[in-house]
Amino acid sequence: QVQLVQSGAEVKKPGASVKVSCKASGYTFTSYGISWVRQAPGQGLEWMGWISAYNGNTNYAQKLQGRVTMTTDTSTNTAYVELRSLRSDDTAVFYCARGNKYNSAWYDYWGQGTLVTVSS
Amino acid sequence: EIVLTQSPGTLPLSPGERAILSCRASQSISSYLAWYQQKPGQAPRLLFYGASSRATGIPDRFSGSGSGTDFTLTISRLEPEDFAVYYCQQYGSSPTFGQGTKVGFK
Repeated sequence: QVQLVQSGAEVKKPGASVKVSCKASGYTFTSYGISWVRQAPGQGLEWMGWISAYNGNTNYAQKLQGRVTMTTDTSTNTAYVELRSLRSDDTAVFYCARGNKYNSAWYDYWGQGTLVTVSS
Repeated sequence: EIVLTQSPGTLPLSPGERAILSCRASQSISSYLAWYQQKPGQAPRLLFYGASSRATGIPDRFSGSGSGTDFTLTISRLEPEDFAVYYCQQYGSSPTFGQGTKVGFK
C-alpha cells in the first residue's frame, strides 16, 4: 500500500533552517511528484511547492521563493523540503503529498505531518 | 494568484441532513478543482478531483459539481464521521486552497 512517512517534529530558533523528509513506499517513486503543504496552528492549508520525482522540476509558492528548496533522492525514494531563515510565523505542520509527475495537480496520498516549531 | 472563497465558514447540521458547500474561484479554473476532508489531528483526505471525479473509496453520498468559477460539494445524508473541515483546492495554475468550511453538529 502507498505510504508517505515523514521525519519527526523539529524545534528551531528564528533565523535557522529546517529540513523535513518524506519517505515513499508502495509505488514507483519516479512516476509521481511530491508537493509540500503546511498548516499553521488552527489555520487552513497553504501550498508550499512541488517537485517532480520523475525529472526534478520544481515549482515553488511565490511567497517562499528564495527561502525554500525541494529535492528528491531516487535511490531511497525520499523527498525533502528545506526552509531557511525561519520566522515565528513559519510554525506549522508540514505535510508531503503525492501528486502528478508533470505538474502539481491533486494529492491522493499524504504523509502524517511534521510539526515545525520556530521559537526563541 | 487565484483566490478560492468557500462558504459558509461554518455549517451546523445534524446527522441525516444534507450539506451543501460552495467554493468560488476568482477566475476560471475550468474543472481543475479538488476537494479534501480533514479531521482534527489528521492529514487531509482526497474526496474529488477534476471537480466531480470521486477518489477511491469515497462513498457515493458525496458528490462534486461545477466548472469555471463556481463549484459545489454535496453530502446527501450526513453520517457522524462526515463532521469535519472541507477544503477546496485549485490546480489550474500555481495551486491554492480555500479557507475551509467546518461541518459541525447543530
